[in-house]
Amino acid sequence: DADVTQTPRNRITKTGKRIMLECSQTKGHDRMYWYRQDPGLGLRLIYYSFDVKDINKGEISDGYSVSRQAQAKFSLSLESAIPNQTALYFCATSDTTGVNEQFFGPGTRLTVL
Amino acid sequence: GQNIDQPTEMTATEGAIVQINCTYQTSGFNGLFWYQQHAGEAPTFLSYNVLDGLEEKGRFSSFLSRSKGYSYLLLKELQMKDSASYLCAVRDPKDTDKLIFGTGTRLQVFP
Repeated sequence: DADVTQTPRNRITKTGKRIMLECSQTKGHDRMYWYRQDPGLGLRLIYYSFDVKDINKGEISDGYSVSRQAQAKFSLSLESAIPNQTALYFCATSDTTGVNEQFFGPGTRLTVL
Repeated sequence: GQNIDQPTEMTATEGAIVQINCTYQTSGFNGLFWYQQHAGEAPTFLSYNVLDGLEEKGRFSSFLSRSKGYSYLLLKELQMKDSASYLCAVRDPKDTDKLIFGTGTRLQVFP
């Protein structure tokens, strides 16, 4: 079974709709992250959380919100989707020991029409 | 500000050696990562450098020079499956639990 899972894997929606992307992990990591990836722009951090009660904005948080419902779950919401939020979204987790590299989920491809 | 530069694309031949460079300009330095990402898939961790020198892991090696703000990823005995994007990332000097990613280098390996 995958350690970091994301649902849905693909989603097509319309402008103005509310969308929630979900991330779950079985790695037992405290730290979780949401990124978006656009061609030519690389991975950009949207929000991150180091604990259930900890939420922090990344470099591109406008238009997004998150919820850390439990250590294992971190959800990303688009309250009113717009076309320029069309992108590949990745969730990641990391430990607090050693190199603490980030482990990425399989991604959600979101298209906003 | 923080900036990471990598070549956009590279090509190489199966069996050859390729070096992918990464230069960074940051206000401090606390470690550099290399990730591999196949098209449409998740990035996967390849290597980490925090001290100057070479880290070797099988066919892949990564080098760091902190004084030059420079790293490279060396791939030996290239295989077709090495066709992927290679992402360089540094720890954010203001918050070391965050990573700043370069835009990635797309490597195509030809037979």
